[in-house]
Amino acid sequence: DAKTTQPPSMDCAEGRAANLPCNHSTISGNEYVYWYRQIHSQGPQYIIHGLKNNETNEMASLIITEDRKSSTLILPHATLRDTAVYYCIVRAYTGTASKLTFGTGTRLQVTL
Amino acid sequence: DTGVSQDPRHKITKRGQNVTFRCDPISEHNRLYWYRQTLGQGPEFLTYFQNEAQLEKSRLLSDRFSAERPKGSFSTLEIQRTEQGDSAMYLCASSSWGDQETQYFGPGTRLLVL
Repeated sequence: DAKTTQPPSMDCAEGRAANLPCNHSTISGNEYVYWYRQIHSQGPQYIIHGLKNNETNEMASLIITEDRKSSTLILPHATLRDTAVYYCIVRAYTGTASKLTFGTGTRLQVTL
Repeated sequence: DTGVSQDPRHKITKRGQNVTFRCDPISEHNRLYWYRQTLGQGPEFLTYFQNEAQLEKSRLLSDRFSAERPKGSFSTLEIQRTEQGDSAMYLCASSSWGDQETQYFGPGTRLLVL
């Protein structure tokens, strides 16, 4: 699976949009971009995933560049409860199961 | 709540003892994964099952580790002769074919080996 690069940490003011970038320049055609987050001492929480189109759900939006070499996770109105480590993961989906390869993620701190 | 559950949530043991963790996946999920997470690192893959069959094992899974999923539902992870280096969070996840194999994680079992 392709390697991802994320900034180690980011800050965001409560109520503002949090934009978390991820580079995956070696992504292949059958690889999806997944985002998970992990709040302190809890298991990772699935947020969103996409292949090449932008995706939105009740938690966040995922913007993938046209060349698919980078993406941005957007939390539209960050709250203190969004403080967590956010992981960007690229994983091939070929109809069979495959492991997730986590990096060290971006630690997002939401402040008042 | 119909999410992934894990038991126990915390375990303290002495070096050399055996420990066993249990994972109950989301109903109808036929794939189940185990990961391990040490402090400051992201989770690392250990092994996964499709129904009862263990289909992949990481090199991290030493001979002291064994995982089972006897009836294709819950799974157990046993560590024999624990070492201090086994101290970590052990995470379980499950997925189904119909959801592009999106993995949903449980709360984890935190192990401390003294």
